[in-house]
Amino acid sequence: GAVVSQHPSRVICKSGTSVKIECRSLDFQATTMFWYRQFPKKSLMLMATSNEGSKATYEQGVEKDKFLINHASLTLSTLTVTSAHPEDSSFYICSAREGGSWGYTFGSGTRLTVV
Amino acid sequence: QQQVKQSPQSLIVQKGGISIINCAYENTAFDYFPWYQQFPGKGPALLIAIRPDVSEKKEGRFTISFNKSAKQFSLHIMDSQPGDSATYFCAASTGRRALTFGSGTRLQVQP
Repeated sequence: GAVVSQHPSRVICKSGTSVKIECRSLDFQATTMFWYRQFPKKSLMLMATSNEGSKATYEQGVEKDKFLINHASLTLSTLTVTSAHPEDSSFYICSAREGGSWGYTFGSGTRLTVV
Repeated sequence: QQQVKQSPQSLIVQKGGISIINCAYENTAFDYFPWYQQFPGKGPALLIAIRPDVSEKKEGRFTISFNKSAKQFSLHIMDSQPGDSATYFCAASTGRRALTFGSGTRLQVQP
């Protein structure tokens, strides 16, 4: 089945620095990728939708200058958290969808801790 | 995003019992209804999904029941096992858009 690889699984960074999270579709071409954020014991909240080769569409309330999303190829999307602050600490999860498929495949998530 | 309401928030079931989780939606344009299982520190994994032209779908111990007129769908886990203890999310989507998730149900199966 479809596999999405997300790295790193855990990252600790200092306040003010930037962190990049990668999301790769390993065995299919992902025309659309989604980035979610999840707080402890809460549901997944959509941050943005990215389509290969075009700018990401951000959900209301998500700062596009803080959460930079790049989807430069059909197998790779990246989320960069810029000038991270402790309140950015969260679990970030990517999801990818193959062009002709109904299914959404999720990565294993990245636990970001900003100290 | 359109809302998907999920209940109960938590559920305790004895081993071998049936776990039932319910979801209700508002947007009649939704055309894909999956259920996901999530373990702590992991991403969600697809359990089973249904399209609105089908009223029920069964895969192993997992069954989705779908009531289009009531705008409700539910997950039934038969013969629940301790290994099923996890958080379950219902979701819905329109076309190729992002999934809208329910609030989640924490299932605990007691041995």
